[in-house]
Amino acid sequence: DSGVTQTPKHLITATGQRVTLRCSPRSGDLSVYWYQQSLDQGLQFLIQYYNGEERAKGNILERFSAQQFPDLHSELNLSSLELGDSALYFCASSVVGQSQETQYFGPGTRLLVL
Amino acid sequence: AQTVTQSQPEMSVQEAETVTLSCTYDTSESDYYLFWYKQPPSRQMILVIRQEAYKQQNATENRFSVNFQKAAKSFSLKISDSQLGDAAMYFCAYRVPQGGSEKLVFGKGTKLTVNP
Repeated sequence: DSGVTQTPKHLITATGQRVTLRCSPRSGDLSVYWYQQSLDQGLQFLIQYYNGEERAKGNILERFSAQQFPDLHSELNLSSLELGDSALYFCASSVVGQSQETQYFGPGTRLLVL
Repeated sequence: AQTVTQSQPEMSVQEAETVTLSCTYDTSESDYYLFWYKQPPSRQMILVIRQEAYKQQNATENRFSVNFQKAAKSFSLKISDSQLGDAAMYFCAYRVPQGGSEKLVFGKGTKLTVNP
């Protein structure tokens, strides 16, 4: 158990819908990362937050957005869902987000868009 | 662009034997960090081992060790005394500070099968 929690574990929805994925980092970690794992694209970085502020963006679609709240949990919002958005979405956390730190991953949320 | 290449999509090993998974990366940076993550069927991403580029000594964690060749930009993972529980996808990852982003860049993975 990494200490990072993600809810829900599984999510099935229809095209055009909107969903919210939730992540709670390890106790004491200020930085949160979101990654998407799909069959065709592999593991890709989406976005990083540090202490409530967006720090870096990766290959995140405009239909996707995220935020980190004062209690440090983070939410990833996916809207106007398409079939290709079906993937495993991971949240990871680290202490302050520096490169020498290890990122600890949550169990992931498996999203299926029908 | 930073890339990580795992040239072996699948590997197999007999239980108790040793196997080496390959990884190469492309970077012009001198300071960076390398990681191997394991993803078992549960899909959880589990850190196996990490290596700091400034350290010449290869990292070791119990049965897991790396062969880090900085000049060749190679970072292979050796698993000794393989166990059935080692069966998983293994991802090599690279991390360098870039404009404030501390993202991990992953390879495509190697699926390891352990035969009893």
